[in-house]
Amino acid sequence: QVQLVQSGAEVKKPGSSVKVSCKASGSDAISWVRQAPGQGLEWMGGIIPMFGTANYAQKFQDRVTITADDSTNIAYMELSSLRSEDTAMYYCARKFQLGWFDPWGQGTLVTVSS
Amino acid sequence: DIQMTQSPSSLSASVGDRVTITCRASQSISNFLNWYQQKPGKAPKLLIYAASSLQSGVPSRFSGSGSGTDFTLTISSLQPEDFATYYCQQSYNSPWTFGQGTKVEIK
Repeated sequence: QVQLVQSGAEVKKPGSSVKVSCKASGSDAISWVRQAPGQGLEWMGGIIPMFGTANYAQKFQDRVTITADDSTNIAYMELSSLRSEDTAMYYCARKFQLGWFDPWGQGTLVTVSS
Repeated sequence: DIQMTQSPSSLSASVGDRVTITCRASQSISNFLNWYQQKPGKAPKLLIYAASSLQSGVPSRFSGSGSGTDFTLTISSLQPEDFATYYCQQSYNSPWTFGQGTKVEIK
């Protein structure tokens, strides 16, 4: 059974960067979805570790980098130039070829505060 | 980007009620529509994929239907553990987009 385990909560200063990891039990396509407090779900981008190529939502294109280490089955999401509006729960999820997400990681809370 | 609009945004229902949630896409997405359930403090959970296919382990009281631009999620007999927020998601075109969510509360 596939499981995704994410790294722990982070507190960051505005203008800094954060890197969140997601360990999978296989080398499946991984996407990152964020959820601001009390808000809905927002897809940020994804990667297919076998190919190493990532694609991003235009909103995050210039600030997010998604990478993967195929040898360890760990995917990473790095978000730069953090601002208070980036305070959110960040989830990784396995993305099936036809586009649904299952399962999801437990989430990583990123708090941006001075 | 494809916009997904759910209705209602929230609803109150009683145990045993039949509940229907609607999701509308801003353009035709064939059957590339998925449904998730999210409980407070938890990650979303896949319920339905490809508009009408029930994910393994999900109770049969959940069903999905629709094609093109209009879709529904139905809970045939609401159970206490079904009180949660439900999201639709299109997987027709990147960026993959979600509806704003429908919160199902206890009446």
